[in-house]
Amino acid sequence: SQQGEEDPQALSIQEGENATMNCSYKTSINNLQWYRQNSGRGLVHLILIRSNEREKHSGRLRVTLDTSKKSSSLLITASRAADTASYFCATFAQGAQKLVFGQGTRLTINP
Amino acid sequence: AAGVIQSPRHLIKEKRETATLKCYPIPRHDTVYWYQQGPGQDPQFLISFYEKMQSDKGSIPDRFSAQQFSDYHSELNMSSLELGDSALYFCASSASGWGQGEKLFFGSGTQLSVL
Repeated sequence: SQQGEEDPQALSIQEGENATMNCSYKTSINNLQWYRQNSGRGLVHLILIRSNEREKHSGRLRVTLDTSKKSSSLLITASRAADTASYFCATFAQGAQKLVFGQGTRLTINP
Repeated sequence: AAGVIQSPRHLIKEKRETATLKCYPIPRHDTVYWYQQGPGQDPQFLISFYEKMQSDKGSIPDRFSAQQFSDYHSELNMSSLELGDSALYFCASSASGWGQGEKLFFGSGTQLSVL
């Protein structure tokens, strides 16, 4: 990966449970973003957290950012079968004009 | 609402041929990005343009070139195609301005198969 690692690489849970995905990165960042991708489809932006923020919420999504550890987590609460997808974190480095993606977590929600 | 439009959706080429992928960003977006995604891989940044000028470059092979035109659409030109170039190519656009790093809007991608 151009950026770092995501953990776990795959996650399978039951509908209604919470899903947590973690992401580490390497550089100083302007912001960190999470994207979702259904198989073979385009990426969809979920949430953006800036380097001076520690936590952000959007609907059933909660993102945390720890710049001292260069890590972030995405929590999806009350998961639904429709949440089945790959989730990628991506960072926008300071002074750069590119979004660099991590390896992604493949999430499967079992009905 | 208008989205990022990529063409073609699918493209089949022979080795050593040339391919041109096109991207039409969301109106009034000033930045275009190109990514390559192999099967089961994360998207790899290739190149970006801000206001029609190249603004950043990733691991883009010398056989590839790209430009952004006066109407803000962008084209990725790929020559001397190799089997390893087979991948999904995404274009994305944003309205962030240089270095601001706002969210990207992605197109549906072009699936390139090199035989």
